[in-house]
Amino acid sequence: LAKTTQPISMDSYEGQEVNITCSHNNIATNDYITWYQQFPSQGPRFIIQGYKTKVTNEVASLFIPADRKSSTLSLPRVSLSDTAVYYCLVGDRSDYKLSFGAGTTVTVRA
Amino acid sequence: SAVISQKPSRDICQRGTSLTIQCQVDSQVTMMFWYRQQPGQSLTLIATANQGSEATYESGFVIDKFPISRPNLTFSTLTVSNMSPEDSSIYLCSVEEGQTYEQYFGPGTRLTVT
Repeated sequence: LAKTTQPISMDSYEGQEVNITCSHNNIATNDYITWYQQFPSQGPRFIIQGYKTKVTNEVASLFIPADRKSSTLSLPRVSLSDTAVYYCLVGDRSDYKLSFGAGTTVTVRA
Repeated sequence: SAVISQKPSRDICQRGTSLTIQCQVDSQVTMMFWYRQQPGQSLTLIATANQGSEATYESGFVIDKFPISRPNLTFSTLTVSNMSPEDSSIYLCSVEEGQTYEQYFGPGTRLTVT
């Protein structure tokens, strides 16, 4: 499993865009990049997954450069309810084991 | 997406006792997983539980301490045996639907050992 590095914490204000960058220099050819969100006292929730270029869904966008050594999760126009821990995971989808790193604590203030 | 429930949601137990945590899924799934999240920490995979086979434990976790049952495709239990205060954690189960790396997690069981 590729090791990931992401900031420990980020602060933002309501209505702003939040971008969290994750480094994964030793990502393998078959690895996908997946982001999870965890609210206090809840289990993690899948946000988005991608392999290359850009992926967008109703919650977030995931930008992956051509070398795939990093990725950026973009949360548009955050609200107070987006305050959570965000985890970046990298791995082969056929290897079902998820390896959670420390995550990034995003705090959204009014 | 699968909906997962866990029982109990929380418990306070005495040292030396055991607690069995139940995980119920609203659909049939092949792969179920048990994680531990210690206070203020990230999640650590304890074991993978597939129906019809013995659970596979990760390094640092043993069957005698964390026996797991998987009697059918919608249910699993994790027992935390001979508990000590170091076992105080949140225990979560999850399921994966079809090798997508997208897992669905239960709400967790918050265990405090005194």
